[in-house]
Amino acid sequence: QQQVKQSPQSLIVQKGGISIINCAYENTAFDYFPWYQQFPGKGPALLIAIRPDVSEKKEGRFTISFNKSAKQFSLHIMDSQPGDSATYFCAARHSGAGSYQLTFGKGTKLSVIP
Amino acid sequence: KAGVTQTPRYLIKTRGQQVTLSCSPISGHRSVSWYQQTPGQGLQFLFEYFSETQRNKGNFPGRFSGRQFSNSRSEMNVSTLELGDSALYLCASSPRSTTYEQYFGPGTRLTVT
Repeated sequence: QQQVKQSPQSLIVQKGGISIINCAYENTAFDYFPWYQQFPGKGPALLIAIRPDVSEKKEGRFTISFNKSAKQFSLHIMDSQPGDSATYFCAARHSGAGSYQLTFGKGTKLSVIP
Repeated sequence: KAGVTQTPRYLIKTRGQQVTLSCSPISGHRSVSWYQQTPGQGLQFLFEYFSETQRNKGNFPGRFSGRQFSNSRSEMNVSTLELGDSALYLCASSPRSTTYEQYFGPGTRLTVT
């Protein structure tokens, strides 16, 4: 199974609040889990990534939490700002037989209101 | 360094026609991947080229094809267009085929009427 399931589809958060986006996967061959951020009219840009042997990674206000046994990972945006309003995609890299491929979740549209 | 560029940015075609999209990767990047983005399906992987060879292919019909040139520039072709092909087509480049870090262009918005 190459699928990555992402929720929620959309999220509205007050400025200063915490935004939480969740993803789940089935394929144990996934070996890297990046998050991408996309603003309207732009292509996605890498935000942060984590390996499955790490339970948490923090970069500024962005934190990935990873639960290997549950096959779930999540993005937390602390002190959310209106400038964080964008679509966020979780992804997973599949490695097998010398080939590598990114599978993306369907995205979460985040709106941070003042 | 200049980012990934895609041309054209917008395209309107009629069902049954064919279309060619172009992508120029970041200088020095040898891997180019193509994705189709739609509101319902999100980002779906089409194929990846590395050093002029197709390394990976997603689950799309044979009407979707691509190629990469010796300067790493890539083209994607869709023949016999269908209404469902309307989407944003994104090109992404990376220095290596194995990396999860991809640099996306702004995309080509294709509308099929």
